[in-house]
Amino acid sequence: QKEVEQNSGPLSVPEGAIASLNCTYSDRGSQSFFWYRQYSGKSPELIMSIYSNGDKEDGRFTAQLNKASQYVSLLIRDSQPSDSATYLCAVVIGGADGLTFGKGTHLIIQP
Amino acid sequence: GAVVSQHPSWVICKSGTSVKIECRSLDFQATTMFWYRQFPKQSLMLMATSNEGSKATYEQGVEKDKFLINHASLTLSTLTVTSAHPEDSSFYICSARKVAGGDTQYFGPGTRLTVL
Repeated sequence: QKEVEQNSGPLSVPEGAIASLNCTYSDRGSQSFFWYRQYSGKSPELIMSIYSNGDKEDGRFTAQLNKASQYVSLLIRDSQPSDSATYLCAVVIGGADGLTFGKGTHLIIQP
Repeated sequence: GAVVSQHPSWVICKSGTSVKIECRSLDFQATTMFWYRQFPKQSLMLMATSNEGSKATYEQGVEKDKFLINHASLTLSTLTVTSAHPEDSSFYICSARKVAGGDTQYFGPGTRLTVL
């Protein structure tokens, strides 16, 4: 079964620090990778997409992809209390159309 | 922009009744829309892929006769939960993919269904 794995947390990070979220996936044919943020009771909100090996930066967020290691991560710099949420890693598994989600990492930013 | 709406945002119904949920892309056209379901404390699970003008593709274990999907236009897909039962109570979320917009999916706000 093709899977996306995340540590469920909670991951507690002090305000202003860097939060590091990790995700691994099992299918080497995967080509598209996404990070979504989900607040309790709400639907996912797209943070970033990444398709190529390396880093992609957007404001305080940096996504990192390493296809050889089947690993994708999200760094959040200058963490704010409003960043407290569940972060979902999502992958388009090779040959599929929809997204396969990890179980999410619950991030808590401590003021 | 890429705004997706869903209606209703929440619904309570009696066991055995049917419920229709609408998903609309408001500022873009979407040849493909997706329906996900999320149970408490769990992640999103893809139920089906809906392509405009054709039959939906259902994921393994999802009953196509119970979850009827219609994608009649480039901006509207509907999910009808037929003969709903308490175990169908969940958070139903649709997403839409832009025409020629790659793999990125934009999610609607979700519909919380409670079956009594």
